[in-house]
Amino acid sequence: KAGVTQTPRYLIKTRGQQVTLSCSPISGHRSVSWYQQTPGQGLQFLFEYFSETQRNKGNFPGRFSGRQFSNSRSEMNVSTLELGDSALYLCASSLGSGLPGYEQYFGPGTRLTVT
Amino acid sequence: AQSVAQPEDQVNVAEGNPLTVKCTYSVSGNPYLFWYVQYPNRGLQFLLKYITGDNLVKGSYGFEAEFNKSQTSFHLKKPSALVSDSALYFCAVRDPRDQAGTALIFGKGTTLSVSS
Repeated sequence: KAGVTQTPRYLIKTRGQQVTLSCSPISGHRSVSWYQQTPGQGLQFLFEYFSETQRNKGNFPGRFSGRQFSNSRSEMNVSTLELGDSALYLCASSLGSGLPGYEQYFGPGTRLTVT
Repeated sequence: AQSVAQPEDQVNVAEGNPLTVKCTYSVSGNPYLFWYVQYPNRGLQFLLKYITGDNLVKGSYGFEAEFNKSQTSFHLKKPSALVSDSALYFCAVRDPRDQAGTALIFGKGTTLSVSS
């Protein structure tokens, strides 16, 4: 079974631009979560989608948004990029939501650099 | 609020020796606990989890972890370290009462370095 895939793997953007990252979960997984990883803040939860609905949201500004499609694929968008948005963005999929005992499986991440 | 602490930024061990990576948590009630490993330029790989039952949990690649409720700890262990175990290790917790979703709260990570 194929793992979680994320595209693109690397991205360089200029401050003020917007960016869209894509994630395809493991087949059969309906929950997709997004995390931001930086050296200073570590791994931080952004949001989770299940059945095209946002189930949970972390403490990030409204510039960070996401959506999920009927095939469970998910995208996250960051508008008006700031230098501090430079990070590794990780997508994780899980069998279900509201089932906290299930582990999440992570993709390789998208490395975003904002200049 | 839920939190996870990994008190050591780095753990150094010689190949063949046992290793321990420490994790303590703060959650009301019985937590769900996870260990993940991250290799350079890679995503996180799931190692093991504790949900309920036996306090000693066995996972991938020979790793195991011991849940200790009284000490609120979930230390990762391996009897004999390999050079290939060198990586960044994360402990994570989820509050089982959180029915809103499956968000994980991660520790800061511990770099494990195994020397030959």
